[in-house]
Amino acid sequence: AQKVTQAQTEISVVEKEDVTLDCVYETRDTTYYLFWYKQPPSGELVFLIRRNSFDEQNEISGRYSWNFQKSTSSFNFTITASQVVDSAVYFCALSVLSYNTDKLIFGTGTRLQVFP
Amino acid sequence: EAEVAQSPRYKITEKSQAVAFWCDPISGHATLYWYRQILGQGPELLVQFQDESVVDDSQLPKDRFSAERLKGVDSTLKIQPAELGDSAMYLCASSLYIREGEGTDTQYFGPGTRLTVL
Repeated sequence: AQKVTQAQTEISVVEKEDVTLDCVYETRDTTYYLFWYKQPPSGELVFLIRRNSFDEQNEISGRYSWNFQKSTSSFNFTITASQVVDSAVYFCALSVLSYNTDKLIFGTGTRLQVFP
Repeated sequence: EAEVAQSPRYKITEKSQAVAFWCDPISGHATLYWYRQILGQGPELLVQFQDESVVDDSQLPKDRFSAERLKGVDSTLKIQPAELGDSAMYLCASSLYIREGEGTDTQYFGPGTRLTVL
């Protein structure tokens, strides 16, 4: 069975601080995909990044960076120099393709509050 | 930029009433998903379509929920009768393809329908 754990329920930081959101996943499959989504108060899930299990390269996109480590089954997300607009709930998700279904298994989310 | 459309954005109903939600995926996306998100939790899949066919409805409460995607484009999710426990955000997503041996595409989500059952 697949599972995603986001142990941090809520994080509060002051603007310009760096913050890391943790994600630990469980799966026995060797081919899988990992995602991060952002959910602002409006409710829409905004796609941030997708990684497949064979690509362990870290990725940087502006102030966002992701650290994928298969050895620890982790896919952590760092925001550098946080801004108030980063305030949202962030979800980590796992997908495994099986019998034509690839549903996303989400963690419980981490609520990030960035104060000015 | 192409987006997933959903309506209504908000719905308030009384228990035992029928409700329906509509979703229009990104043009050309063959796969459509309905997720339910209870407050404080991550979304959970209710049903997945590949074109007009259901490929996964294992978590859909079929005694009261139904979903269709008749022409393989837009989709409707219905609840009849609604219960208090159905209060949640209903999210629709779409992706370009699923192909065995080739992997899957990214799922893009619509704005959701927030349902309140009184």
